[in-house]
Amino acid sequence: QVLLVQSGAEVKKPGASVRVSCKASGYTFSNYDITWVRQAPGQGLEWLGWISADTGNTKFAQRFQERVTLTTDTFTGTAYMELRSLTSDDSALYFCAREARTVDAYCDYWGQGTLVTVSS
Amino acid sequence: QSVLTQPPSVSGAPGQRVTISCTGSRSNIGAGYDVHWYQQVPGTAPKLLIYANTNRPSGVPDRFSASKSGTSASLAITGLQADDEADYYCQSHDTSLSVAFGGGTRLTVL
Repeated sequence: QVLLVQSGAEVKKPGASVRVSCKASGYTFSNYDITWVRQAPGQGLEWLGWISADTGNTKFAQRFQERVTLTTDTFTGTAYMELRSLTSDDSALYFCAREARTVDAYCDYWGQGTLVTVSS
Repeated sequence: QSVLTQPPSVSGAPGQRVTISCTGSRSNIGAGYDVHWYQQVPGTAPKLLIYANTNRPSGVPDRFSASKSGTSASLAITGLQADDEADYYCQSHDTSLSVAFGGGTRLTVL
């Protein structure tokens, strides 16, 4: 079955960076794309960006463009999200999700989420 | 502020029908982009409920249905059950933001 397994919770200090991994299994990794979404405590879903798993092409939400790097490792079937210059506003649950390559793509499978806490 | 507007909460008794609206604009839903819906139990990952406006993934009961018209979309749940209690999000694409989520609607089963 399709599984996306994310790395464990992180605690970071303001100004630091965090890297979250998302290991995919149960499907051909390069045939789908990966989207990253976050959810602050008590808040809704917020789209961070998207990466094509085979080409490495990326798109980002404008407000994260300068601080986020998305990469994939097609050999291990793993996607990575790095967020830099962290502030307390970045404390959230971060999700990766598989995105089907349709015209207006949707996320059909999700990782379990990685809690990132930014605190001095 | 989300570019897709949903009511913060809806409620209904078991067995009833509820609807959740998702209002966008000419730069997203009104531009012809598909609308997708997700169900999320707080603290867990979202689950795809409806894709491409009206389609249910395998395993989603036909009690869940959705529609789209103009700049809005709507999710309907009939025969409300206790385990339908969750947060529901609409999602579309937007010409300026690429991907947009609604602010979410908390469904309470009375």
